[in-house]
Amino acid sequence: TQLLEQSPQFLSIQEGENLTVYCNSSSVFSSLQWYRQEPGEGPVLLVTVVTGGEVKKLKRLTFQFGDARKDSSLHITAAQPGDTGLYLCAGVESSGTYKYIFGTGTRLKVLA
Amino acid sequence: GAGVSQTPSNKVTEKGKYVELRCDPISGHTALYWYRQSLGQGPEFLIYFQGTGAADDSGLPNDRFFAVRPEGSVSTLKIQRTERGDSAVYLCASSLSGDNEQFFGPGTRLTVL
Repeated sequence: TQLLEQSPQFLSIQEGENLTVYCNSSSVFSSLQWYRQEPGEGPVLLVTVVTGGEVKKLKRLTFQFGDARKDSSLHITAAQPGDTGLYLCAGVESSGTYKYIFGTGTRLKVLA
Repeated sequence: GAGVSQTPSNKVTEKGKYVELRCDPISGHTALYWYRQSLGQGPEFLIYFQGTGAADDSGLPNDRFFAVRPEGSVSTLKIQRTERGDSAVYLCASSLSGDNEQFFGPGTRLTVL
């Protein structure tokens, strides 16, 4: 079973600070997604990256896919309390099916 | 444009009982996924439907778990002889097709006493 490890597992920071969340695997993924999940709700897609080395920006969020398509990072600039939530990465196996493997999750809390 | 809905939102049952969890996907979405999420963890893949057929059921933990989607729309996840370890939030997601964005429902919280 492929595994996606996220680090850190928990992060509590002050408003205005920057942070980076990492998603690592020993396996290659054809694409990788980042989600944010609020309590009592399902995950909501933030971005999909498909090309090795790809960088995508979404306002204060910057996503990068590793050159070998085994890892990814999410960087948040000037975090705000509204960024609080569970951040999940998810990779699609390269085997031709659409079986999404989710990471272990990073719980972020941004204090005002 | 309603989103993905799941019923019930909460289900409490006793060990050994049978339960059914329902998912209503977004109209027109051909792909449907079931996941299980334990507290503080990421969702764990259970099964993926393309239309009426299960394209990948490799995540179902054992033969107590079964899912159907007879008309290619609504899906039901069935769990027989429930165990305390089955307690989790069961999430359903749908997408236009397998390689499109997944839209998740709010989940069904299952508690097995």
